Amino acid sequence: GAVVSQHPSWVICKSGTSVKIECRSLDFQATTMFWYRQFPKKSLMLMATSNEGSKATYEQGVEKDKFLINHASLTLSTLTVTSAHPEDSSFYICSATLAETDTQYFGPGTRLTVL
Amino acid sequence: KQEVTQIPAALSVPEGENLVLNCSFTDSAIYNLQWFRQDPGKGLTSLLLIQSSQREQTSGRLNASLDKSSGRSTLYIAASQPGDSATYLCAVPSGGYQKVTFGTGTKLQVIP
Repeated sequence: GAVVSQHPSWVICKSGTSVKIECRSLDFQATTMFWYRQFPKKSLMLMATSNEGSKATYEQGVEKDKFLINHASLTLSTLTVTSAHPEDSSFYICSATLAETDTQYFGPGTRLTVL
Repeated sequence: KQEVTQIPAALSVPEGENLVLNCSFTDSAIYNLQWFRQDPGKGLTSLLLIQSSQREQTSGRLNASLDKSSGRSTLYIAASQPGDSATYLCAVPSGGYQKVTFGTGTKLQVIP
């Protein structure tokens, strides 16, 4: 089946540093990938839609300069949290859509802790 | 704007009970609905996907139904087990092709 991986699975960083999270579709090509964020005890919130070869589309309230998204190939999208602060600590999950279906396949998530 | 609500927010049941989780959505113009499971600190596991043309889907002890006209879906879990303890999320497409809105989740605890 379609598998999506994320790397790293968890990361701890100091305030002010930048962190890059990778999302890969392992056995299929994904023209569209999505990035979600989950706050503790809250549901997932869509942050942005990432289309291969074009700029990402951000949801209202999400700072595009803060959360840089690059979708350089059909199997890789990256989310970079720039100048991270403690309030950026969260669980970030990506998903990728198999072109022939409407199903989103989700990565295992990345837990970011900013000290 | 699509809004998805799940009731109850939390549920605790003894092992072996059958239970129903509810999901309601405000915009019934959906083409599918998905149920996911999330274990603490983990990513999502897809449980069932129901297409808009279907009324229900079954996988093992799980059965999900969809009533588009009333904006409701239910996830039925038969003979619950402690391993079923997790947060269950429903998700529907919204605001554009392939975008998804997640429900608020139901945290299930099955007591041995």
